[in-house]
Amino acid sequence: KAGVTQTPRYLIKTRGQQVTLSCSPISGHRSVSWYQQTPGQGLQFLFEYFSETQRNKGNFPGRFSGRQFSNSRSEMNVSTLELGDSALYLCASRPGGQGVEAFFGQGTRLTVV
Amino acid sequence: GNSVTQMEGPVTLSEEAFLTINCTYTATGYPSLFWYVQYPGEGLQLLLKATKADDKGSNKGFEATYRKETTSFHLEKGSVQVSDSAVYFCALRQLQGGSEKLVFGKGTKLTVNP
Repeated sequence: KAGVTQTPRYLIKTRGQQVTLSCSPISGHRSVSWYQQTPGQGLQFLFEYFSETQRNKGNFPGRFSGRQFSNSRSEMNVSTLELGDSALYLCASRPGGQGVEAFFGQGTRLTVV
Repeated sequence: GNSVTQMEGPVTLSEEAFLTINCTYTATGYPSLFWYVQYPGEGLQLLLKATKADDKGSNKGFEATYRKETTSFHLEKGSVQVSDSAVYFCALRQLQGGSEKLVFGKGTKLTVNP
């Protein structure tokens, strides 16, 4: 059974640009969550999508957005990139019901220059 | 709100030494608790979990006991190996309506020397 796949693994962007990251969850999993990992702030929850609907959002500016497709694949988008957006972005998938463990992908390392 | 506090390290040990990484939490009710491990260049892997008070999670020689009296979930291993070198994260699961999210500690970097 394939794990959670995130693409690309590494990305370099310039300030002011926008970026789109992709996450393919484990087959059959309907919930996808995104987390940002930085040395200063640690791991912070961005949002969760379930059946194409955002059902929870963390404390991030509106520049951070996401969506989920009917096949459960998810994308997150960051517009008007800032240097502080440099981070490892992790995606986690779950079947969808509460109380079931989340499986994480390897992450996308975004560097903003 | 809910939060997790863990010793930040870094922690450096010799092979076969005893490991303890402290973790305490603040939460409403009794959330499920987790330890995740992150190896260099990798994502997070679930190491162990406990879903209610006095539960002991264990895996690969690591153990942690859910202590509601002290709101703690300390990670222990009796004899570490070089391959245990990684960053360890304590986390709690926060439920919000039909959604859930993980609230993480800052992570503890462990280096084990031969």
